[in-house]
Amino acid sequence: GEDVEQSLFLSVREGDSSVINCTYTDSSSTYLYWYKQEPGAGLQLLTYIFSNMDMKQDQRLTVLLNKKDKHLSLRIADTQTGDSAIYFCAGLKTSYDKVIFGPGTSLSVIP
Amino acid sequence: DSGVTQTPKHLITATGQRVTLRCSPRSGDLSVYWYQQSLDQGLQFLIHYYNGEERAKGNILERFSAQQFPDLHSELNLSSLELGDSALYFCASSVEGAPNEQFFGPGTRLTVL
Repeated sequence: GEDVEQSLFLSVREGDSSVINCTYTDSSSTYLYWYKQEPGAGLQLLTYIFSNMDMKQDQRLTVLLNKKDKHLSLRIADTQTGDSAIYFCAGLKTSYDKVIFGPGTSLSVIP
Repeated sequence: DSGVTQTPKHLITATGQRVTLRCSPRSGDLSVYWYQQSLDQGLQFLIHYYNGEERAKGNILERFSAQQFPDLHSELNLSSLELGDSALYFCASSVEGAPNEQFFGPGTRLTVL
């Protein structure tokens, strides 16, 4: 299967940490990505993780990968109002050279 | 600015018509991808071209077709349009190989009346 699942909505207070979760069914995904889409714009790659890694940190962003449970998460520290957007989890199937996107999680940051 | 351009930004047309959406990839990127984003279906991969050749197909209807030209720009042709084709159409480009970081254009919003 090629499903990528995410919860659709998340609301956090400014300054708190946000954790956006994703589960995927295809264990052959070699790269897993987090994209951000701001209103009226295209998707922008935030970060990615190779499937043999457990964690990747990039400034306020921390990606955790649990390959056994096929679970990926994105933690945003000190969430700001500018982080309000839709966040897409995605996985790359190299055998088909296709990136499969989840439905997106809409993050709302309350001032 | 991702470096990927798409035209037009907005397109309003009637059912049964045919439209062409255009995409220019980032300089040096040989791969172009097309996606459809709608409220009910989310982001759906349509098709991938690499250096002029079709590389992978997704949920693309037979009424839709695409091509990539020698100068690497790509066009997505949508024909016999239906109301349900109203959506945002994104083009993305990438360099060959992992990690396949895709750079998305701003999208074309298609409204079929």
